[in-house]
Amino acid sequence: AQKVTQAQTEISVVEKEDVTLDCVYETRDTTYYLFWYKQPPSGELVFLIRRNSFDEQNEISGRYSWNFQKSTSSFNFTITASQVVDSAVYFCALSATSNSNSGYALNFGKGTSLLVTP
Amino acid sequence: DAGITQSPRHKVTETGTPVTLRCHQTENHRYMYWYRQDPGHGLRLIHYSYGVKDTDKGEVSDGYSVSRSKTEDFLLTLESATSSQTSVYFCATRVGEAGYTGELFFGEGSRLTVL
Repeated sequence: AQKVTQAQTEISVVEKEDVTLDCVYETRDTTYYLFWYKQPPSGELVFLIRRNSFDEQNEISGRYSWNFQKSTSSFNFTITASQVVDSAVYFCALSATSNSNSGYALNFGKGTSLLVTP
Repeated sequence: DAGITQSPRHKVTETGTPVTLRCHQTENHRYMYWYRQDPGHGLRLIHYSYGVKDTDKGEVSDGYSVSRSKTEDFLLTLESATSSQTSVYFCATRVGEAGYTGELFFGEGSRLTVL
């Protein structure tokens, strides 16, 4: 069975603060992919990043960075110098070889709602 | 942008009525999915399709059926809507043919209210 846990339900920060969104996953597969999505108040789901289980290098894209640690089964997302436009719900998700019985659908965490105030 | 459109975007209906949501894609992607999003539950898989006329159940399939007669269209039907099916429904397609490796791209969502 696979599971994605986002323990932080809601986070509130003041603009320019750094914020880390936690994601912990469970899978018995050795080959899998991890994803982050953003859902702004307008409601659409926006793909942010995909990372495979063999690549533990951290990734940085502008103010966004991701820390993948297989030892702790975590794939955390950090926003540096947060901005009001970062306010959204963020979802972490997992897909693995054993997902074939669900058409390789993504297993999502319940999401973390981030509010950035001026 | 995977060119996914959902219709209707908003619908209010009454308990016991049938409802069909349509998902249309222009990218010729093989895999298509229907999820529902509810507060406190995140996104949960209802049904998926791995080709024309090839569909299967997901985690929360009770009360739903699907059909895929063409590559580009994936229909979700609530045979007799109930208030517990009030939700936001998202259609998605998978990029690439390599099974589990590709990300999903989502439609804009369809908000359904069952009174």
